[in-house]
Amino acid sequence: GDSVTQMEGPVTLSEEAFLTINCTYTATGYPSLFWYVQYPGEGLQLLLKATKADDKGSNKGFEATYRKETTSFHLEKGSVQVSDSAVYFCALRPTSGTYKYIFGTGTRLKVLA
Amino acid sequence: DGGITQSPKYLFRKEGQNVTLSCEQNLNHDAMYWYRQDPGQGLRLIYYSQIVNDFQKGDIAEGYSVSREKKESFPLTVTSAQKNPTAFYLCASNRDSSSSYNSPLHFGNGTRLTVT
Repeated sequence: GDSVTQMEGPVTLSEEAFLTINCTYTATGYPSLFWYVQYPGEGLQLLLKATKADDKGSNKGFEATYRKETTSFHLEKGSVQVSDSAVYFCALRPTSGTYKYIFGTGTRLKVLA
Repeated sequence: DGGITQSPKYLFRKEGQNVTLSCEQNLNHDAMYWYRQDPGQGLRLIYYSQIVNDFQKGDIAEGYSVSREKKESFPLTVTSAQKNPTAFYLCASNRDSSSSYNSPLHFGNGTRLTVT
C-alpha cells in the first residue's frame, strides 16, 4: 500500500545551519506531496506542496522538489532559525480516487541559538 | 478569517464516560477528517466525511463515532469502548472534489483529551 517514510528525529542544529529532512514515499502514479509543520500544542500547518514530477514547492525559505525517479520529497532550508524548531510531517495524497492522506511519523527539529 | 475551530482545547474525563469533541469549519469545505496523534506515531485516521450525512471509517475507528448533519460541523464522540482514549485529536478539512485531489488539508488546533 501507499506509505511515507521520514528520517528519525530529533534533528538538532545550530542557528544558521543547513537543514535537510529526508522523505521517501511509495505510491502508484503521481501522488500529490506535502510538507506540514506543527508547533507545540497546535495543529498542523501546510508548509509547501508539489503536485507533479520536478515541481519545487517553497515557502518561508523552505524548499522541496518532487523527485519521481527516487520517489523522494526532501525538505531543505539554507539557514535555520530558532523559530523553526517544530515537528515536520511529510504527507501524500494518492491519485487513485481515495480521499485519504498518508502521513509520515514526523521529524522533530530543534534549533539552538 | 476562515478556519477550523476545535473545542475545548483541553478535556478531562473519567474512565467509562463518553465525551464529544467539537469541530466547526467556515471554509465551505466538503470533506472533513478526524485524526488521532500519539507521541512518535504520527497521525492516524479515525473517520472522514466527504459530504453531509455520509462518513467512512478510517484506520482506527473502533470506539469512536461521528455525525455529519451540517456541512460546517463534524463532531467526534469518544465512547467508553475506546481502550486508550488519552491522546491529541485533530480535525481537518479540504474542499475536495473530483478535480481537487491535490488540495491540502487544513487543520484545527486540536483537543487534548485526558481520561483517568
